[in-house]
Amino acid sequence: GDSVTQMEGPVTLSEEAFLTINCTYTATGYPSLFWYVQYPGEGLQLLLKATKADDKGSNKGFEATYRKETTSFHLEKGSVQVSDSAVYFCALSEPRNNDMRFGAGTRLTVKP
Amino acid sequence: KAGVTQTPRYLIKTRGQQVTLSCSPISGHRSVSWYQQTPGQGLQFLFEYFSETQRNKGNFPGRFSGRQFSNSRSEMNVSTLELGDSALYLCASSRRDYGTDTQYFGPGTRLTVL
Repeated sequence: GDSVTQMEGPVTLSEEAFLTINCTYTATGYPSLFWYVQYPGEGLQLLLKATKADDKGSNKGFEATYRKETTSFHLEKGSVQVSDSAVYFCALSEPRNNDMRFGAGTRLTVKP
Repeated sequence: KAGVTQTPRYLIKTRGQQVTLSCSPISGHRSVSWYQQTPGQGLQFLFEYFSETQRNKGNFPGRFSGRQFSNSRSEMNVSTLELGDSALYLCASSRRDYGTDTQYFGPGTRLTVL
């Protein structure tokens, strides 16, 4: 079945460092891909999404490009801030259903 | 526009009891999905309701059930609670008019089973 694999955490960075969180997927069809962020004690917030190959999702300085050839959707940010500390989830959803599949999550801690 | 709301935010129950969780979707959204989040299993899909009908179901025992009302509000019920049911239960809503649609999550209900 469809699945998402994302890099193990935790990830600890200094403020203004470059961030990459790797995400790869397995899908039988043509899924949409998402990054969600979860802050302590809260639900998931949509960070960005891409619905077809070569689409780039972006929001709040974060970017991810839907790469069909490598089945990847890596999350990047050029300069992280302390406020970016959270758990990041990569997810996919197929058009035929609303069963969203999530990666295990990557905890990011940014130190001043 | 108001976001997805879930009540209650926290619940403490004992083994063998049952519990009902409530979710109010974003206005205009007709699809409601439920997820269970635990440290060991991560985020797992429970079921989806659309226009009062269960349209999709994850791999959970029959103790987990749900329903959706005509105003799209949804409830999830867990009967005969087990210790392993302790988790954060997340509800997500989407328009789901066609194909894949973005799901918007509520803050969750944290259930503790003692």
